[in-house]
Amino acid sequence: KNEVEQSPQNLTAQEGEFITINCSYSVGISALHWLQQHPGGGIVSLFMLSSGKKKHGRLIATINIQEKHSSLHITASHPRDSAVYICAVLPGSARQLTFGSGTQLTVLP
Amino acid sequence: DADVTQTPRNRITKTGKRIMLECSQTKGHDRMYWYRQDPGLGLRLIYYSFDVKDINKGEISDGYSVSRQAQAKFSLSLESAIPNQTALYFCATSDLLGLEQYFGPGTRLTVT
Repeated sequence: KNEVEQSPQNLTAQEGEFITINCSYSVGISALHWLQQHPGGGIVSLFMLSSGKKKHGRLIATINIQEKHSSLHITASHPRDSAVYICAVLPGSARQLTFGSGTQLTVLP
Repeated sequence: DADVTQTPRNRITKTGKRIMLECSQTKGHDRMYWYRQDPGLGLRLIYYSFDVKDINKGEISDGYSVSRQAQAKFSLSLESAIPNQTALYFCATSDLLGLEQYFGPGTRLTVT
């Protein structure tokens, strides 16, 4: 069983919809990252969380350490948000990230 | 200029050939990583290095080797390429605590 589970695996939305992507993990962590991978392949870091909530523009990321769960929300979604969103955790005792398999988001105009 | 660069960006090679993928970074980070991405499997760690003298195997190191030539450079080699090594390869760097992560643009490798 993967230590990091994302849901859904695929998501199609209409422009303007509110989107939520979920990430659950099974180990104690020191940090959680949300990453974005565009169709061209490049990966960028959106957020690093160790507690609470962060907001950047239309993106909001939350984490509940006790429940071992994080969510990435996109408000007023736009076709340019279409990408793969990847959750990655830094286990407390580990020296490297463990990745979820990603959520493919498609936003239709 | 990009913080993390990879060369080549695309490569097609034949089974049995030796191939090297190169990575350079300008972040000044000590920690560097090589990942492989396959559809539906997410990113998997091949090798990582926490400084020039500290190189470690990841979960899928068989068939690969690495060289950390300098703090800024980390190369991945496939000694004898095989078709199931066809994948997208990413180099990444991080700060000491792993709280900042920077990825290269990826190398798409096809082994025929």
